Formats: sequence, structure tokens, C-alpha cells
Amino acid sequence: GAVVSQHPSWVICKSGTSVKIECRSLDFQATTMFWYRQFPKQSLMLMATSNEGSKATYEQGVEKDKFLINHASLTLSTLTVTSAHPEDSSFYICSAFDGNSPLHFGNGTRLTVT
Amino acid sequence: KQEVTQIPAALSVPEGENLVLNCSFTDSAIYNLQWFRQDPGKGLTSLLLIQSSQREQTSGRLNASLDKSSGRSTLYIAASQPGDSATYLCAVIINDMRFGAGTRLTVKP
Repeated sequence: GAVVSQHPSWVICKSGTSVKIECRSLDFQATTMFWYRQFPKQSLMLMATSNEGSKATYEQGVEKDKFLINHASLTLSTLTVTSAHPEDSSFYICSAFDGNSPLHFGNGTRLTVT
Repeated sequence: KQEVTQIPAALSVPEGENLVLNCSFTDSAIYNLQWFRQDPGKGLTSLLLIQSSQREQTSGRLNASLDKSSGRSTLYIAASQPGDSATYLCAVIINDMRFGAGTRLTVKP
């Protein structure tokens, strides 16, 4: 079946550095990709929606200059957390959608900023 | 703005019991509704997808129903097992996907 690959699965970085998370759809073309964040004991929160070839749409309260999203192809979207701070430590999950099939999720990336 | 609510927030049952998880949403013009399972610290596993034109979907011991007019969906789990312990999330899609806060299920042996 369809698979979404998210990499890395976990990352530890120092405060002030940037981290890039990749989300790939392996056997289908993802016209839309969603990025979510989940803080401990809280629900998944949508951060942004990206359509291939266009700028991402960010949810209220999500800084677009801090969380850079690139969706340059139908199989790859990246989320870059710039100048990361400890409060950015969270579980980030991407999902990919081809317009018809159920949404498919990556396995998530656990980011720890020290 | 679409709001998705799940009740109860947590549920603990003995093994073998049948149970129902509830999901309600405010905007009935949904594209589809999906139920997921999330194990601690892990990603999501899709359980059932119900298209807006459908009333229910079944997979094994799981049955999900959808009533768009009342803005409700239920996930029925038959003969629960300890391995069913997880957080169950419902999500609705219109232009994006909105999640409920989840129901944390514990099935005791």
C-alpha cells in the first residue's frame, strides 16, 4: 500500500540551529501535504498545508518564517525549523494526500532542542 | 472553523468488553472522516475511512459510523483486547484535516 516516509525519526539539536525534516510519498503523488505538531499529552495540531508548487498555508499562530515548508515536487515536502529553541521540542508528523485515497502519515520526527 | 470533539477523553475497560468512542464535528460539509490509532510516541495508524456519502465502514472488530446531518461519528470496538490500548483519534477533512483531542483507551487483562 501507499507509504509515506518521514526522516529523521528523531533528532537532537542545539538551540539556535536549524533542522530539516523530510516527508516523501513513496508510491503515489501527493498533491497536498500537511504538517502537524504534537506536544506531550496534547492532540495533533495542524501547522500548515502545502500544495505542490505553491506556498504553504499556515495556521494561525504558526510562524511561517520559523517553520519553512517546501513542497517542490509531488513526492517530497520538507519542514525546516529555523533557529530552534527548546520550546520547539515536539513530535512533528507529516501526511500526504492525493485527493482520493485516505490520508497517509509518516511515522513522525521527535525533535529535542537542548 | 471546524471543531472536532471526542468523548470520552479517557476510557478504561476490562478485556472482552464492547465499547463505543464518540466523535462530533461542527461543520457537516465534510469530505470524509477518518479514525486513527496512535500508540505512545509513535505515528498514526489509519483504522477506517468513511467517505461523506457512506454511513459506515467495518474492519475486523472495528465498525465506524457516520451521521453527517448530526455531525457525529462513532467507533465501535467489539471484544476489546489489551492490544487495543492506545489513543484513538478521529479527523475530518474539508479543505484540511482537523483532529479531535483523542480518546485514551486502556483495556485491562
